[in-house]
Amino acid sequence: QQPVQSPQAVILREGEDAVINCSSSKALYSVHWYRQKHGEAPVFLMILLKGGEQKGHEKISASFNEKKQQSSLYLTASQLSYSGTYFCGTVTGTASKLTFGTGTRLQVTL
Amino acid sequence: DTGVSQDPRHKITKRGQNVTFRCDPISEHNRLYWYRQTLGQGPEFLTYFQNEAQLEKSRLLSDRFSAERPKGSFSTLEIQRTEQGDSAMYLCASSLGQELGNEKLFFGSGTQLSVL
Repeated sequence: QQPVQSPQAVILREGEDAVINCSSSKALYSVHWYRQKHGEAPVFLMILLKGGEQKGHEKISASFNEKKQQSSLYLTASQLSYSGTYFCGTVTGTASKLTFGTGTRLQVTL
Repeated sequence: DTGVSQDPRHKITKRGQNVTFRCDPISEHNRLYWYRQTLGQGPEFLTYFQNEAQLEKSRLLSDRFSAERPKGSFSTLEIQRTEQGDSAMYLCASSLGQELGNEKLFFGSGTQLSVL
């Protein structure tokens, strides 16, 4: 079952922060985050395994709440290069493949 | 690391024709995936290979679709008797084949299929 992302779209000014949420109706083994720029391939950002860990990648970090079956991606002090569509992907077991959400379009403006 | 390459980048075909796409994964990657993506949607899983073995196919994959990965290197995805609903971006991804829930996928730039 496809994870649900919110918001569907967000527009930011450079330097502002954003949070993108991903929730699943099933118990999760891991959550993955990818960014796709228009006309390009999705690019890996990070994986979070069950256990409630939080990870960071420069000014982009994420958390995973296993009990709530939710993950959030935090973008701080956004830059123009952050523009793109962010997808979360969920894995429900060690033998299951990645299922992507519908995406969140992020646009950072001057 | 030359990345995942897909060929062709674009394909326009008439309804009813057969098309074949090719994917060359990163050389040391033993797992290869095919995804389909339509405008405004996330990539949708189609099938995957562990080396040359096709281990899973989506229920969405009709019998008009067939994928191969001979010798565990490049892969081909063939669509027979194309329909307008097949129009989409077909993405290939590869990985080192770690634990399924804990692997980083490297995507190619995709093949954009338009069925007229």
